[in-house]
Amino acid sequence: AQTVTQSQPEMSVQEAETVTLSCTYDTSESDYYLFWYKQPPSRQMILVIRQEAYKQQNATENRFSVNFQKAAKSFSLKISDSQLGDAAMYFCAYRTPYSGGGADGLTFGKGTHLIIQP
Amino acid sequence: ETGVTQTPRHLVMGMTNKKSLKCEQHLGHNAMYWYKQSAKKPLELMFVYNFKEQTENNSVPSRFSPECPNSSHLFLHLHTLQPEDSALYLCASSQVGGATDTQYFGPGTRLTVL
Repeated sequence: AQTVTQSQPEMSVQEAETVTLSCTYDTSESDYYLFWYKQPPSRQMILVIRQEAYKQQNATENRFSVNFQKAAKSFSLKISDSQLGDAAMYFCAYRTPYSGGGADGLTFGKGTHLIIQP
Repeated sequence: ETGVTQTPRHLVMGMTNKKSLKCEQHLGHNAMYWYKQSAKKPLELMFVYNFKEQTENNSVPSRFSPECPNSSHLFLHLHTLQPEDSALYLCASSQVGGATDTQYFGPGTRLTVL
């Protein structure tokens, strides 16, 4: 079974600084998807960024980028120019590709609570 | 309404009650999911529905009973729950087989079992 590990229960960063959240995963699959989701205090889970394992290029979305190391099974999230609105729980998630046998759920890590210091 | 909606947002029930959680997606997706989010535990997948057919039941106790009457609506029927079932229940939807099959989440129902 796949597992996702987030080793940082809590991280704190000064506003406008850069922070990196760690995620490692375990799988025997060669093709899969990785995600970072953000859950602000209002509880709505929002997709931050997505990475396909077959793509070597790291995904980026504005101030958010990932460092995907497939051999090391590592998928970290870098947030540049941190803003107060970035404060939230961040979850790393894994999913196998749709194979025609039906939809697959996500496997989540325990999350990292990100605090932004003004 | 846009995205994925869930009702009620908060629910308090006794162990002998029967209640239902409702989820509706307005995204035209063909798959829907129930997740359980407990304190200090990873989100746990409970059920998956693809084209209204249940494709996964992740060893969930029978006191949780899902229903998917169509691809836009998903229910979770609750009966004889235990206090340890208190959690945030999240619904999600996705378009399986599409260009991107990212899951989109609703705001959740905060369930408290007394």
